[in-house]
Amino acid sequence: GQQVMQIPQYQHVQEGEDFTTYCNSSTTLSNIQWYKQRPGGHPVFLIQLVKSGEVKKQKRLTFQFGEAKKNSSLHITATQTTDVGTYFCCILTGGGNKLTFGTGTQLKVEL
Amino acid sequence: NAGVTQTPKFQVLKTGQSMTLQCAQDMNHNSMYWYRQDPGMGLRLIYYSASEGTTDKGEVPNGYNVSRLNKREFSLRLESAAPSQTSVYFCASSPLGMGTQYFGPGTRLTVL
Repeated sequence: GQQVMQIPQYQHVQEGEDFTTYCNSSTTLSNIQWYKQRPGGHPVFLIQLVKSGEVKKQKRLTFQFGEAKKNSSLHITATQTTDVGTYFCCILTGGGNKLTFGTGTQLKVEL
Repeated sequence: NAGVTQTPKFQVLKTGQSMTLQCAQDMNHNSMYWYRQDPGMGLRLIYYSASEGTTDKGEVPNGYNVSRLNKREFSLRLESAAPSQTSVYFCASSPLGMGTQYFGPGTRLTVL
């Protein structure tokens, strides 16, 4: 089945630095979703991208879907300690009924 | 709205014991899911129910059974627990065709 790989696996930044995580697939994707999981918490939906080249922003977070719909990125500007957690990209399969999770990027923000 | 609730929050079992994890949602969602998350890993789908009355296997169904009791409730049963089933179990629900999934707080299961 379809799979997505995320890089990097871990990222430590100083508060105020920017952060980017990348999600890559070998096949064309119909859509991609991003979730955030705080330490000890559960995944929380952030956004869904469906159009080629789509860019969406949520405050300091910028999400992009590649032109070929094979990759996506999440960029956080000026990280804060509240950004700590693991960010997962996910793809919908099974006719939109199943989510396949990427490997995740764990972000740590140091003061 | 409580969203998605799971019971219990924590559980310790001995190898060979059985137990049922309960999940309920009050958002009138059609689809429900069970995932497991091992340390430092992403979530892997165990079983899902696209709509009331149907269940299907996910990526890692061996050792588990599920019951979609009604539209609100979806339970996961371990008939004979094994140490390899030590994990955090998340239940999720989704409006049919929308894709966005809403997760419960998780059950942390340890099998000794």
